[in-house]
Amino acid sequence: TQLLEQSPQFLSIQEGENLTVYCNSSSVFSSLQWYRQEPGEGPVLLVTVVTGGEVKKLKRLTFQFGDARKDSSLHITAAQPGDTGLYLCAGARAGTGNQFYFGTGTSLTVIP
Amino acid sequence: EAGVVQSPRYKIIEKKQPVAFWCNPISGHNTLYWYRQNLGQGPELLIRYENEEAVDDSQLPKDRFSAERLKGVDSTLKIQPAELGDSAVYLCASSPRTGSYGYTFGSGTRLTVV
Repeated sequence: TQLLEQSPQFLSIQEGENLTVYCNSSSVFSSLQWYRQEPGEGPVLLVTVVTGGEVKKLKRLTFQFGDARKDSSLHITAAQPGDTGLYLCAGARAGTGNQFYFGTGTSLTVIP
Repeated sequence: EAGVVQSPRYKIIEKKQPVAFWCNPISGHNTLYWYRQNLGQGPELLIRYENEEAVDDSQLPKDRFSAERLKGVDSTLKIQPAELGDSAVYLCASSPRTGSYGYTFGSGTRLTVV
């Protein structure tokens, strides 16, 4: 059983479109991370957010941590084929020594 | 700096056979994790080591899975005997210490049980 549910599970869009991926839970997290994973490789860390309401930007990617620290979103502006991959959120609950539990994943395909 | 190294990259075995995976973490990283990932899904933790001590193995199916990290550096994950449902990618990750952010993952071992 995974603590974090991501939506949508699959997403296929045209190059240049915008998209948002959601990561939701009923649990409170002390910190939350987003990873991107390409086929045949391990996940690669994109960002860590630790404060409720925090917003971080990484070029065309905007990450937000919910005020209650139970949810997060990833917004991509003007998607490019290089953004294709599996996006994973991962949350750490207080008192677990920053043991991160991964979400269910969102598979994104950007069509040229 | 070398990343997390896993071997083999691919393994195909018949059910009921044993299999072992090897992981060499980033030098100096005290914490090592083994995850299992099914296709298109998020990784699920199997075991976490702090140095040579397994501090969280609650999700490891102990009837057939075992792991060791004898000198607190590299680690081996074993399945004996393998079942069809064990087919997955087995990922190893490391981090500097407990409480640090951000894991570095290896490329994984894709296991197919036939």
